[in-house]
Amino acid sequence: QKEVEQDPGPLSVPEGAIVSLNCTYSNSAFQYFMWYRQYSRKGPELLMYTYSSGNKEDGRFTAQVDKSSKYISLFIRDSQPSDSATYLCAMSAGGSARQLTFGSGTQLTVLP
Amino acid sequence: NAGVMQNPRHLVRRRGQEARLRCSPMKGHSHVYWYRQLPEEGLKFMVYLQKENIIDESGMPKERFSAEFPKEGPSILRIQQVVRGDSAAYFCASSPWTGPYEQYFGPGTRLTVT
Repeated sequence: QKEVEQDPGPLSVPEGAIVSLNCTYSNSAFQYFMWYRQYSRKGPELLMYTYSSGNKEDGRFTAQVDKSSKYISLFIRDSQPSDSATYLCAMSAGGSARQLTFGSGTQLTVLP
Repeated sequence: NAGVMQNPRHLVRRRGQEARLRCSPMKGHSHVYWYRQLPEEGLKFMVYLQKENIIDESGMPKERFSAEFPKEGPSILRIQQVVRGDSAAYFCASSPWTGPYEQYFGPGTRLTVT
């Protein structure tokens, strides 16, 4: 079983839709949770960073962390064709164990 | 404020040659991480370094791979005697010394072994 599970999709939605992306994890030591966006043949771009449980909002993006369920989510409101990319969840325990463990990524296409 | 820089962006090596990948962290960042993305696979951690110190190399293959982050200059990921299975995108990320721990990635080096 992988430490981080992420539905690979592909996910296709119409422009303006609300997108929900999710990851589950098994390592209870994870405390820092990140979402990255990766366009084809580019480096991952940090979208959201959350520590421990709770919600965080930044523009059209909202990240949620539920440590009791070991479940994290990213919501994208008013999705745009430019949001079409692969979305990666990542997490770490912090401290001396800073390395990120990534989900496999969800490929999202927003149709105009 | 320049981001994480990696070079070269593309590298072609014949089997048996050496590959050297360079990474300059963001200004003010003292921690560097290397990840590998194999075709159709996710990003996998390789090694975590501070200046002149390897903190965690648990994701590094035991043979042929090495990494350093000298006092001066960029971090280097070195792959000796490359094989076709080393063909991948290699990403470097950096973070500041103190929290928060978010990591910022460079554009990657795409290594092709022929």
